[in-house]
Amino acid sequence: EVQLLDSGGGLVQPGGSLRLSCAASGFSFSNYAMSWVRQTPGKRLECVSVIGTSGINTYYTDSVKGRFTISRDNSKNMLYLQMNSLRDEDTAVYHCAKGRGSSISSCHDFWGQGTLVTVSS
Amino acid sequence: DIEMTQSPSSVSASAGDRVTITCRASQGISTWLAWYQQKPGKAPKVLIYTASTLQSGVPSRFSGSGSGTDFTLSISSLQPEDFATYYCQQTNSFPLTFGGGTKVEMK
Repeated sequence: EVQLLDSGGGLVQPGGSLRLSCAASGFSFSNYAMSWVRQTPGKRLECVSVIGTSGINTYYTDSVKGRFTISRDNSKNMLYLQMNSLRDEDTAVYHCAKGRGSSISSCHDFWGQGTLVTVSS
Repeated sequence: DIEMTQSPSSVSASAGDRVTITCRASQGISTWLAWYQQKPGKAPKVLIYTASTLQSGVPSRFSGSGSGTDFTLSISSLQPEDFATYYCQQTNSFPLTFGGGTKVEMK
């Protein structure tokens, strides 16, 4: 059974940093693209970042480029999102999501339950 | 960026009804479209990918169609467990954008 356990969210002040983690199990992690998708308080969904199987190919939505870094450790079946210089508009529930295939443009066939990031002073 | 527009934003229906949701892309995306279902407090779940391919385990009352810019998700006979919010997503090009959602509510 595919399981994605995301963690690391919390309350942080504007300009602060957080590191999200996602522990994956139940599938061959190194064979699939992985993503972080956030859902805003208004329920809008946004694909924030995607990483290919080897970690070389990555994608970031424009609003987080230069501030967020996605990475993976295939030996530990772990996905990460380092978030720096956080802004109010980054407040959302962040889900890790498994790609349906190895392509970084795959849709997301399994999602973690999400971890809440609140950016507020 | 490709903008995805869903309609209606909400629909009231009864168990047994046929429900159709549409999704329009601001430019052609071939059949690179997925549909997701989300229930309150839960993560989204993929129902359909490449516009019409049913994800394993999803009931056959769900179907998808379309190509280019216009797509539909149909539920042939609404079941109580189908009351949820539905989102489309294009996977043709980055950023991979989602529609605003359609809430299917009980009449």
